[in-house]
Amino acid sequence: DTAVSQTPKYLVTQMGNDKSIKCEQNLGHDTMYWYKQDSKKFLKIMFSYNNKELIINETVPNRFSPKSPDKAHLNLHINSLELGDSAVYFCASSKVVGGELFFGEGSRLTVL
Amino acid sequence: EDKVVQSPLSLVVHEGDTVTLNCSYEVTNFRSLLWYKQEKKAPTFLFMLTSSGIEKKSGRLSSILDKKELFSILNITATQTGDSAVYLCAAPPLQGAQKLVFGQGTRLTINP
Repeated sequence: DTAVSQTPKYLVTQMGNDKSIKCEQNLGHDTMYWYKQDSKKFLKIMFSYNNKELIINETVPNRFSPKSPDKAHLNLHINSLELGDSAVYFCASSKVVGGELFFGEGSRLTVL
Repeated sequence: EDKVVQSPLSLVVHEGDTVTLNCSYEVTNFRSLLWYKQEKKAPTFLFMLTSSGIEKKSGRLSSILDKKELFSILNITATQTGDSAVYLCAAPPLQGAQKLVFGQGTRLTINP
């Protein structure tokens, strides 16, 4: 059973389009995250939700809108995609604050 | 600004060698430091360190934290080709406890 699963795994799209990435965790964790990993492998936090409430929003353009319908799901919608949005987006969850993160396998977004 | 810095950025060794990866941090109100291994996809958890001077071990991997000098090391003995990966260290800062600040990673390549 996959603990943190993301879809799609790969996404290729044109500039200006809108796309969504979905994430689900079956670990019973209260906290979920979106991280962005650039081409240099730098992982940076984008958003964190605790029990469906937005806790962290790290200076991310408002073209990015997370949505958490329940504490097991955290989706990421991106409007008006730009070239610089190309990256691998990782969903993660954790049981305790500042504790071990369980990552999904990542969604590689390529904007042409 | 909270930051985590890893060195070296890249390391190539032969199978059987011992390697030491470094991680230094400047994080307000430090509580813990975490090590992750990233092969092709999702980072996977290795260690969480909270106390200075206490070594954590898992097989050929071990890690220790020095809270006075603000660094941690990850040792891998008798390296194998399967140890090839990017090794990431991270720490949760005071603000936004539900996020991790990651270092840029060390890319380790083990040649047969």
